[in-house]
Amino acid sequence: DIQMTQSPSSLSASVGDRVTITCRASQSISNSLNWYQQKPGKAPKLLIYGASNLLSGVPSTFSGSGSGTDFTLTISSLQPEDFATYYCQTYSALWTFGQGTKVEIK
Amino acid sequence: EVQLVESGGGLVQPGGSLRLSCAASGFIFSSTWMSWIRQAPGKGLEWVANIKPDGSEKYYVDSVKGRFTVSRDNAKDSLFLQLYSLRAEDTAVYYCARIVITLTYQYFYYMDVWGKGTTVTVSS
Repeated sequence: DIQMTQSPSSLSASVGDRVTITCRASQSISNSLNWYQQKPGKAPKLLIYGASNLLSGVPSTFSGSGSGTDFTLTISSLQPEDFATYYCQTYSALWTFGQGTKVEIK
Repeated sequence: EVQLVESGGGLVQPGGSLRLSCAASGFIFSSTWMSWIRQAPGKGLEWVANIKPDGSEKYYVDSVKGRFTVSRDNAKDSLFLQLYSLRAEDTAVYYCARIVITLTYQYFYYMDVWGKGTTVTVSS
């Protein structure tokens, strides 16, 4: 099975900061990777699919990159509504989520 | 409006069974792959199962194989997850989600609509 490892597990940042979250696959998954945002008590929301494709309606401050085993989610300028937990998810073979990265207010 | 509404959660004893339902509306359910995902209290997301539009293909995470069964009733726009031999570690919020498959220069698969979830608690 493919394992997805996110880093860091949590981070503290300020409004306006640039934030980068990394997701590493245990084997190559090409660009079969999605990113989701989840706020407490709510269902996850899709942000990016296919590693780098921004879902319509998602702010352009979010971007994704990577291929193979290493992927990044970048928030170019953190907004108050962006404080949440972020998950990567692969759809290569059986589906798997990373363990999540919690973005907290510094 | 595209919507998914889960139901059927509750408190069940270890070894017990439960049937979760997901009512879909606002899209052509019979043409759509569907998924179940769960989240244990304070933990991350775990994909549980996928089912093809006609129900002919089903995929499960190893930890539930042989204990959970995903099914659907396209005439009623409904998705189900039958849970058997429940364990404490199955305690979680269970979400259903719509799978989108798009083809531009390649196929992409993602879950774009999620329900609010239904809570399953396995405890004596």
